[in-house]
Amino acid sequence: DAGVTQSPTHLIKTRGQQVTLRCSPISGHKSVSWYQQVLGQGPQFIFQYYEKEERGRGNFPDRFSARQFPNYSSELNVNALLLGDSALYLCASSLGGQADTQYFGPGTRLTVL
Amino acid sequence: GDSVTQMEGPVTLSEEAFLTINCTYTATGYPSLFWYVQYPGEGLQLLLKATKADDKGSNKGFEATYRKETTSFHLEKGSVQVSDSAVYFCALDSGTYKYIFGTGTRLKVLA
Repeated sequence: DAGVTQSPTHLIKTRGQQVTLRCSPISGHKSVSWYQQVLGQGPQFIFQYYEKEERGRGNFPDRFSARQFPNYSSELNVNALLLGDSALYLCASSLGGQADTQYFGPGTRLTVL
Repeated sequence: GDSVTQMEGPVTLSEEAFLTINCTYTATGYPSLFWYVQYPGEGLQLLLKATKADDKGSNKGFEATYRKETTSFHLEKGSVQVSDSAVYFCALDSGTYKYIFGTGTRLKVLA
């Protein structure tokens, strides 16, 4: 079975631009979560979506937004990019129950110049 | 707010040594606790988990016990191998669908 897939693998943007990252969950998983991982740090929770509804939000500014589609895939959008947004963005999928195992994708490496 | 504190690395051990990586947490209610591992060049993967006090999670020779009284979930392995070299992350889910990860502990095992 295919695991969680993310696209693109790498992305280079300049300050002020906007970016969209994509995630396809494991088949049968209804929940998708997004994380930001800065080099040398642990993943920081951004959003969780379940059945197309936002179920959890971390401490990120409104420049960060996301959505989940009827096929359970998801997009993360970041507007007005800052240098500090440079990071590895991880997507994880799960069945959606409490304490269900999250399965992580390989991530999208975003560099903001 | 909820938080996870891990011992700083890197931790360098010889093969067959005993491993302990400390993890303590702060959370409201009764969180579920996890250890994730990130091998070089690979994505994060779940190593083990425990969902209530006194539960012991185990996998691949690793163990961790959910200690509510000390708010801890320390990771242990009796005999590490070179292939265990990786970054280990402790994490919690306090039931609010916001996973909190620690900063990670890098383990290097020497042959």
